[in-house]
Amino acid sequence: RKEVEQDPGPFNVPEGATVAFNCTYSNSASQSFFWYRQDCRKEPKLLMSVYSSGNEDGRFTAQLNRASQYISLLIRDSKLSDSATYLCVVNPSGAGSYQLTFGKGTKLSVIP
Amino acid sequence: EAGVTQFPSHSVIEKGQTVTLRCDPISGHDNLYWYRRVMGKEIKFLLHFVKESKQDESGMPNNRFLAERTGGTYSTLKVQPAELEDSGVYFCASSLLANYGYTFGSGTRLTVV
Repeated sequence: RKEVEQDPGPFNVPEGATVAFNCTYSNSASQSFFWYRQDCRKEPKLLMSVYSSGNEDGRFTAQLNRASQYISLLIRDSKLSDSATYLCVVNPSGAGSYQLTFGKGTKLSVIP
Repeated sequence: EAGVTQFPSHSVIEKGQTVTLRCDPISGHDNLYWYRRVMGKEIKFLLHFVKESKQDESGMPNNRFLAERTGGTYSTLKVQPAELEDSGVYFCASSLLANYGYTFGSGTRLTVV
């Protein structure tokens, strides 16, 4: 089983649509969770951290379910500029370990 | 604030040759990380420096890879000798605090032919 699993997509949605991405992780002791965005041939950029209480940043909402080892990202009112690959990222616990574990990403295309 | 700078942006080398990638972190960031993405796979951790010390090198694939960070500023990642399976995009990232606020560089795309 992969450490971080995501549906690769692609998700093709019209402008204005709501789209949700899901991610599962295998290490139950993981402590930190993130969503990164990566544009084609560019570097990953932090979109938002994910907390157990859930958090929202404008049109983006992230949720964490530790019991199910499941992370989600909801994008409302999709814009053309949201087209990118969304990476689910986890930091497994471990003394002195600060490495990030990435999923393969979910590709989103927002269509006019 | 200048971002994380990587050089070169692209490199094409023959199997058996040596290549050295360079990363200049954001000034003042003690934490520097190397990651890579090979074709069709997820981005994977290679190693983590805190200043000039290797904090975690558990992701280094084999002894053909050597990373250094002399003086705790820029870092180099040398591959010697390069193999075909080393092709991919090598990302460097830095952060002020470990596990917080990573900034990635734009990567070096390495092609071994």
